Amino acid sequence: AQTVTQSQPEMSVQEAETVTLSCTYDTSESDYYLFWYKQPPSRQMILVIRQEAYKQQNATENRFSVNFQKAAKSFSLKISDSQLGDAAMYFCAYRRNAGGTSYGKLTFGQGTILTVHP
Amino acid sequence: GAGVSQTPSNKVTEKGKYVELRCDPISGHTALYWYRQSLGQGPEFLIYFQGTGAADDSGLPNDRFFAVRPEGSVSTLKIQRTERGDSAVYLCASSTQRESYNEQFFGPGTRLTVL
Repeated sequence: AQTVTQSQPEMSVQEAETVTLSCTYDTSESDYYLFWYKQPPSRQMILVIRQEAYKQQNATENRFSVNFQKAAKSFSLKISDSQLGDAAMYFCAYRRNAGGTSYGKLTFGQGTILTVHP
Repeated sequence: GAGVSQTPSNKVTEKGKYVELRCDPISGHTALYWYRQSLGQGPEFLIYFQGTGAADDSGLPNDRFFAVRPEGSVSTLKIQRTERGDSAVYLCASSTQRESYNEQFFGPGTRLTVL
């Protein structure tokens, strides 16, 4: 079974600074997706960024980027120029890719609460 | 609709009672997922529907939990003889199945409290 581990229950950052959230995972699969989701107090889970395992290039979405180390099974999220609106719970998630279309079950980590200080 | 909707937003019930939680997916999304999120934890998979059928129900914790999607759109998660340990936020998500990557769009969840 796949597992996802987030070892940082809480992180904090000053506004405009950079913060990195850590995630490790365990799988015997070679083809899969990794995700970072943001969950504000409204409970709405929002996709921040995704990474396909077969792509060596790290994904980037504006201020958000990942450091994907497939051999080490590590997938960290870097938030640059942090904003007050980035404050939320962040979840790392895994999904295997079955054949030509992805099978949907997501496996989530325990989450990291990010606080942004003005 | 604009997004996935879930009703009710909050549900308080007594131990032993029966509850139903509803999920309205994005129109046209054939895949639908239920997750359960306990306080301070990440969501845990419960069940996945492809159309009307449950393609994977391996996450349902026991036979008190059941879900249906009779017309391939709205889904209802049913919990019998509720226990205090069932208290959690129940999240629903939907996606298309047309591409190799199918983003799951989540609803705001139903917070279930069992007294």
